[in-house]
Amino acid sequence: DADVTQTPRNRITKTGKRIMLECSQTKGHDRMYWYRQDPGLGLRLIYYSFDVKDINKGEISDGYSVSRQAQAKFSLSLESAIPNQTALYFCATSDFTQGELFFGEGSRLTVL
Amino acid sequence: GIQVEQSPPDLILQEGANSTLRCNFSDSVNNLQWFHQNPWGQLINLFYIPSGTKQNGRLSATTVATERYSLLYISSSQTTDSGVYFCAVEYNTNAGKSTFGDGTTLTVKP
Repeated sequence: DADVTQTPRNRITKTGKRIMLECSQTKGHDRMYWYRQDPGLGLRLIYYSFDVKDINKGEISDGYSVSRQAQAKFSLSLESAIPNQTALYFCATSDFTQGELFFGEGSRLTVL
Repeated sequence: GIQVEQSPPDLILQEGANSTLRCNFSDSVNNLQWFHQNPWGQLINLFYIPSGTKQNGRLSATTVATERYSLLYISSSQTTDSGVYFCAVEYNTNAGKSTFGDGTTLTVKP
């Protein structure tokens, strides 16, 4: 089983719908991240959490919200999806002592 | 602002050739990682290398932190090396958050 698991792996939805992407990890890391990847570009940070009570906006947080339900779980929500949120979304974890990132397999979201 | 620049943006090789990918960064770093994104979109950790040199099989990486660049070497390339290679940098001034370059797309032809 993967150390960082994302669900769903693929989702097609319509404009205006609420969508939640979930991430769980078994690495025991404190830090969790949500990144977005658009075609031909690198990953951009949406939100990050250094522990359960610490949640911070990244560079592209508008239109997104997150919840850190437990150390091992970090979910990303799109309250009202729009077509330009069509992208590949990645969850990642890291340990605060070292900082090496470990990624989930990605969630491909299409908003029609 | 915070920048990570990767070059070249695209690279096409014949199987068996060697290549060097470059990552330039604009400030002092805590961490630097190289990733390979395969054609299925998965991100694979290659190297965690804030400084120095590491080798793993046909791949090696060198980071010269004082000159603000890192190099990824691929020797005897194989078709399975195709994909996008990303450099991700955690700057001292942005601790805990990594900034990605736009990647180098490598195509290895048989």
